[in-house]
Amino acid sequence: EVQLVESGGGLVQPGGSLRLSCAASGFTVNSNYMSWVRQAPGKGLEWVSGIYSGGSTYHADSVKGRFTISRDNSKNTLYLQMNSLRAEDTAVYYCARGPGYCGSTNCYYYMDVWGKGTTVTVSS
Amino acid sequence: EIVMTQSPATLSVSPGERATLSCRASQSVGSNLAWYQQKPGQPPSLLIYGASTRATGIPARFSGSGSGADFTLTISSLQSEDFAVYYCQQYNSWPPMYTFGQGTKLEIK
Repeated sequence: EVQLVESGGGLVQPGGSLRLSCAASGFTVNSNYMSWVRQAPGKGLEWVSGIYSGGSTYHADSVKGRFTISRDNSKNTLYLQMNSLRAEDTAVYYCARGPGYCGSTNCYYYMDVWGKGTTVTVSS
Repeated sequence: EIVMTQSPATLSVSPGERATLSCRASQSVGSNLAWYQQKPGQPPSLLIYGASTRATGIPARFSGSGSGADFTLTISSLQSEDFAVYYCQQYNSWPPMYTFGQGTKLEIK
């Protein structure tokens, strides 16, 4: 069964750090585009970070320079290292698998499998 | 950044009736548009990708249409389990900042 399970969330003070994990089963993380999406309390969805099968990474402007997406192929696990956390980073963080296709210049990925999410609360 | 705008914010429809949800992009995204359904306390789930292709296991009462900048999700005959929040997402932009709409809440009338 294809599954994603997030962990690592919790309560952290402003300026602190957390590392989120997303363990995959039923498929290999390094063969897919993978992403992190977050949802602040009562709000909509916000794409946060993505990593291509080739290893290229991208981050939303709101987290650039503070968050880093990575993966461990041996553990089939995706990570999100979050530093310099702010109150506005408070959210449920989901990891998602991204199937898609590549055109002549770019590749395009939607999200077909989502984890249940892990909650991050940034507060003093 | 491509801005996605959904309308209406809330839609009240009776079971058995048709629901039509709209999504507009600030610039063309081709057919690189997905729709997701989210129920309270659950993660989003994929309904439609490529603007009009149903994901595996999605009932035929869900249909997507449109291309370029204007898209529609239609639910032909609402069932009780369809009342939820629906999000559109473009996955056309480069760098890949895959933006979502703000969501449409579909509620029972």
